[in-house]
This record gives sequence, structure tokens and C-alpha cells, in this order.
Amino acid sequence: DVKVTQSSRYLVKRTGEKVFLECVQDMDHENMFWYRQDPGLGLRLIYFSYDVKMKEKGDIPEGYSVSREKKERFSLILESASTNQTSMYLCASSLVTDSHQPQHFGDGTRLSIL
Amino acid sequence: AQKVTQAQTEISVVEKEDVTLDCVYETRDTTYYLFWYKQPPSGELVFLIRRNSFDEQNEISGRYSWNFQKSTSSFNFTITASQVVDSAVYFCALSSGTYKYIFGTGTRLKVLA
Repeated sequence: DVKVTQSSRYLVKRTGEKVFLECVQDMDHENMFWYRQDPGLGLRLIYFSYDVKMKEKGDIPEGYSVSREKKERFSLILESASTNQTSMYLCASSLVTDSHQPQHFGDGTRLSIL
Repeated sequence: AQKVTQAQTEISVVEKEDVTLDCVYETRDTTYYLFWYKQPPSGELVFLIRRNSFDEQNEISGRYSWNFQKSTSSFNFTITASQVVDSAVYFCALSSGTYKYIFGTGTRLKVLA
């Protein structure tokens, strides 16, 4: 089974801090994704990566950046955290052989910015 | 534009009742894929099913069944004889042309004992 592991289940940070959310997958998937989930809005794509060092903006990239130095690891960075970035963050991965392969998700990180 | 609508925000049923979760999608692409995911209270989204636009056969997996109708752009999900363990948020999603999924806003299902 694919395992997508997010480094923290719960995280509390202060406004203005630089925040790192880490995600690791163990199935050699090429694609990795970061979403945020908010009530009434579903899941919205922040960034995705289809290869090491490659990244593309999703629907809501403002205020975020990402890093993919190794195939198995995809990091989401909040450069200067703000209260409106309080949310649930979900990481996912999928194979690239078929771009419509199911995505496999981690347990999520519930981030609170105070 | 692509869009997925899950009009039911929350549904409550009593155990053993059947329940249908609605999903309506919009896309101009002729090739596309539809998905259903389950998100239990633990938070992880669990993949349930994928259908492509050329396969309109309904599918049954145990107590779960899916009804795909291109004529109405719908991909509805029915749980038969619901159980408390079915309580979760269910997401419908659409994918076409890119790696991106378009998710609906989710339907929270509460199954009461």
C-alpha cells in the first residue's frame, strides 16, 4: 500500500513565522500535490510537482512556496504565516504513467496561525 | 470551465437506511475521469472509485454502488444499508487534460445508530 506521511498532525505557529510542512511518500510516485481544505470550499490545489525540482502553481499559490529536492519528499513553505492560512493541509501523490491515476493522501496537517 | 457540484452539504440517516450522494460535473472535454473519495474523521482521504468518460456502466462494490449518467452529467454514489462506520465526508472529483483534480465541496454523511 502507498504510504503518504505528513510530518505533523497538528501545528500551531505565530503570524509572520516561516512554516514548513513536510510530506514523504514511499511508492516512488512522480507526482506530488499540496491542497488546503476549508469548510464549504472543499479541497483547493496550492502547488504540485511532477518531477524532482519541478513545480507548478495550482489554484491558490499566493503566500506559499514548495520544494522538491528528492523524489519522495515535497515540502510546503509558508514564507510569512498569516491568520488566513489557518487550515487543514493535505499532501497527495500519484503515478505519472497515467495522469488520471488516483491520488493517495496523507492524514493531513491541521495548522493554526495565531 | 470545469466544475464539480455536491449540493448536499450534510445528510443524516439512521443505520440500515439507503443513502445517495449526488455529484454533478461540468467539463467540455470528451475524455475525463471521475472519482469518489471518503474522508473519515481521521482525516485521510481514501480513494473509492475512478470512472472514465467512456465507461457508463454502473458499478457495485459490496454495499457501495455508483451511477454514472453522461446525459445528466452526474456521478451519484449510493450506500445500501448504511452503517455507522460510513460516517464521513465524501468528495467527488473530476480530472481531465492535466494532473489537476477539481474537487466538489464534499457531503458530510452522518449515520446514526
